[in-house]
Amino acid sequence: DAGVIQSPRHEVTEMGQEVTLRCKPISGHDYLFWYRQTMMRGLELLIYFNNNVPIDDSGMPEDRFSAKMPNASFSTLKIQPSEPRDSAVYFCASSLRGFTDTQYFGPGTRLTVL
Amino acid sequence: DQQVKQNSPSLSVQEGRISILNCDYTNSMFDYFLWYKKYPAEGPTFLISISSIKDKNEDGRFTVFLNKSAKHLSLHIVPSQPGDSAVYFCAATGGSEKLVFGKGTKLTVNP
Repeated sequence: DAGVIQSPRHEVTEMGQEVTLRCKPISGHDYLFWYRQTMMRGLELLIYFNNNVPIDDSGMPEDRFSAKMPNASFSTLKIQPSEPRDSAVYFCASSLRGFTDTQYFGPGTRLTVL
Repeated sequence: DQQVKQNSPSLSVQEGRISILNCDYTNSMFDYFLWYKKYPAEGPTFLISISSIKDKNEDGRFTVFLNKSAKHLSLHIVPSQPGDSAVYFCAATGGSEKLVFGKGTKLTVNP
């Protein structure tokens, strides 16, 4: 398996624009996680899905953030409108089971909002 | 409020010596702990874990120790190698708690 795939790897956009981050989890994994890494807050869980269903989105910072998982092999994280404080590295991860199972992370998307 | 704390942002050791990375937690519900390693421009990768029913888990050069009464765990790397240079994240979960990560410790192993 190629592992968790994320695209794009880098995104530079201007404030107010819509940003869509994409993730393809490892085939057969039932759980998908979206994380954000910043210097100030470290690695934070934004939202996670189980069998394509969002389970907990309490980590999503604002209504500007939304995530979907239309099928088992694809998920998106959307920011609309984007703001400079959204600049961070966004990781997607997947696992077979829940939090005690090993999570496999993608390489991340580095987002810069000007 | 940080539930998982890694108080040392960085650590530098000589090749062949022991590296000790520390982690403290505050949530008594946590009963499973993991360490992840992260190289630049890559996602974190799982390293080792420990359940609260144990106080030690070993995997090759890596050993994790858990002191439940002190709410403290540590990762020992012996002997340290230059390839171990990375950022190490401590993470905890348990009960209905999600996985919570510390901010990481950057380890540099000097040849």
